[in-house]
Amino acid sequence: TQLLEQSPQFLSIQEGENLTVYCNSSSVFSSLQWYRQEPGEGPVLLVTVVTGGEVKKLKRLTFQFGDARKDSSLHITAAQPGDTGLYLCAGERAGGFKTIFGAGTRLFVKA
Amino acid sequence: SQTIHQWPATLVQPVGSPLSLECTVEGTSNPNLYWYRQAAGRGLQLLFYSVGIGQISSEVPQNLSASRPQDRQFILSSKKLLLSDSGFYLCAWRGDRSTGELFFGEGSRLTVL
Repeated sequence: TQLLEQSPQFLSIQEGENLTVYCNSSSVFSSLQWYRQEPGEGPVLLVTVVTGGEVKKLKRLTFQFGDARKDSSLHITAAQPGDTGLYLCAGERAGGFKTIFGAGTRLFVKA
Repeated sequence: SQTIHQWPATLVQPVGSPLSLECTVEGTSNPNLYWYRQAAGRGLQLLFYSVGIGQISSEVPQNLSASRPQDRQFILSSKKLLLSDSGFYLCAWRGDRSTGELFFGEGSRLTVL
């Protein structure tokens, strides 16, 4: 059972388009992270959200944590080929040491 | 600053052979350490985590084991590899204990033939 469900699994878009990636769960998380991974490398942390309803912006990327802390979204404005990669959401439940990951969204931005 | 390294980067092993992947962290003390496995292009499956020397928690029953002989060293092992052990193995340490942020090594690609 996947505790964190990501959608879509795969996304291929043209440069300049906007997109949103979703991360959903039936469980409450004390925090959620978004990572980006290039082929053959380890994931790199993009952002952490900890407060329900929190919105964080990182240049053209906007991250939101759901009010109930069960879901999160990543919105990319005016996507560029350099945004291509695997986007992973990850979360930790309250009181635990374990960080679990969603299955990932593979984004391909065509020039 | 903190760094994490794992090796070897690539490994091709026959079925039934042993395995040892090593991971070390520098620039921090008493880190939480993790081993994940990733299938091609997919998410990460937590295999083991450790909150201190000699303390290992296993998440998935399998053909692998982990050890933490020193504070900043984490080792993933197997006595006899299976075909299904093939994958991309990632070691990570936890940066902020309150928010669960992880910092990953370069990864080790294991192919079992």
